[in-house]
Amino acid sequence: AQSVTQLGSHVSVSEGALVLLRCNYSSSVPPYLFWYVQYPNQGLQLLLKYTSAATLVKGINGFEAEFKKSETSFHLTKPSAHMSDAAEYFCAVSPIYNQGGKLIFGQGTELSVKP
Amino acid sequence: EPEVTQTPSHQVTQMGQEVILRCVPISNHLYFYWYRQILGQKVEFLVSFYNNEISEKSEIFDDQFSVERPDGSNFTLKIRSTKLEDSAMYFCASSGGGVGELFFGEGSRLTVL
Repeated sequence: AQSVTQLGSHVSVSEGALVLLRCNYSSSVPPYLFWYVQYPNQGLQLLLKYTSAATLVKGINGFEAEFKKSETSFHLTKPSAHMSDAAEYFCAVSPIYNQGGKLIFGQGTELSVKP
Repeated sequence: EPEVTQTPSHQVTQMGQEVILRCVPISNHLYFYWYRQILGQKVEFLVSFYNNEISEKSEIFDDQFSVERPDGSNFTLKIRSTKLEDSAMYFCASSGGGVGELFFGEGSRLTVL
């Protein structure tokens, strides 16, 4: 069975500081991995995805994530936080063979950005 | 920019009542989904729908749940007899086929009393 674990339900950083949101996955088959973001009162929005091509994936709004098979990790980073980055971030996994779009989400990490 | 819209944004119902949650997916998308998030818990997959039939469903999606695409534009989730534990935020999503590239609506919050 596949699963993802996000370490830390809440992360707080200062504006301009590095953002690091952690995600570890468990999968017996090669996975696709995703980060979604949910801004207040909005639906989830795809931030970036890993689909077995480049291990360093760039997404929208300056975010990127690196797939590390040896660590079973897919951490999300951004060099310099902006106030507008405050949101909830979800890591998700899907098996490569699943064309149906079923995603398995982590529990989410709420990011706060202090001025 | 095209978006997925959901109605109602919030519904309060009595236990045992039927509820229909409505969604208008992005117009050229072919894959449709319902997910839900109970307060404080993970976003959970309920069901996927393609070519007018369910393609996959989770263990949560029992006989109390059904989905329908009645008119080629709407996609509905029906809960026949609501239970207290059905209280959650229900998200509709659609996809044009890119694996994992789902477009989510803002959610419908269901409160069962």
